[in-house]
Amino acid sequence: GENVEQHPSTLSVQEGDSAVIKCTYSDSASNYFPWYKQELGKRPQLIIDIRSNVGEKKDQRIAVTLNKTAKHFSLHITETQPEDSAVYFCAPHNTDKLIFGTGTRLQVFP
Amino acid sequence: DTAVSQTPKYLVTQMGNDKSIKCEQNLGHDTMYWYKQDSKKFLKIMFSYNNKELIINETVPNRFSPKSPDKAHLNLHINSLELGDSAVYFCASSQDEGSWSRELFFGEGSRLTVL
Repeated sequence: GENVEQHPSTLSVQEGDSAVIKCTYSDSASNYFPWYKQELGKRPQLIIDIRSNVGEKKDQRIAVTLNKTAKHFSLHITETQPEDSAVYFCAPHNTDKLIFGTGTRLQVFP
Repeated sequence: DTAVSQTPKYLVTQMGNDKSIKCEQNLGHDTMYWYKQDSKKFLKIMFSYNNKELIINETVPNRFSPKSPDKAHLNLHINSLELGDSAVYFCASSQDEGSWSRELFFGEGSRLTVL
């Protein structure tokens, strides 16, 4: 079955620093690559996504980069703020199962 | 208006009982899902369902059964509850037909505690 792993599992940064989370997947047929953010006690929500024919996408302080050959994509957050503290999930898919990655807990210290 | 709503938000029950969680979406989406999130925050898909087929994650015990009275509802019924069923259950929906983006819209979650 599909394997989706994220690294690191936890990440602590100082406010203003950058954070990078990597997602590695095994299904070479995957063609849609989203990242979800889940704040404490809340539901997961999409923050950025990218299609397989695009290498990079940016939306203000967040960006996603894709390496289809190596089967991984990364979430980049610049100028981190305390409100970026959350658990982040990747969910690469081309199947009906929509498998989520193992999650990364990001903590931004003021 | 809430896009994806689940009831109840909290459910505390005894082992061996049967319980249901209801889910409704008013987005007109064609696919609905149930996910289980355990204490380690792993999000595991249990079912996906659209008008054409039900796809079941093979690791889900047959004590769990989805029921869809119509396109806007996907309820989760659980028989003979066990301690390990304690988790937060999320319902979600997406529009798959005619869309390259399969963004999931999640409900607020239902926290199930089995005593």
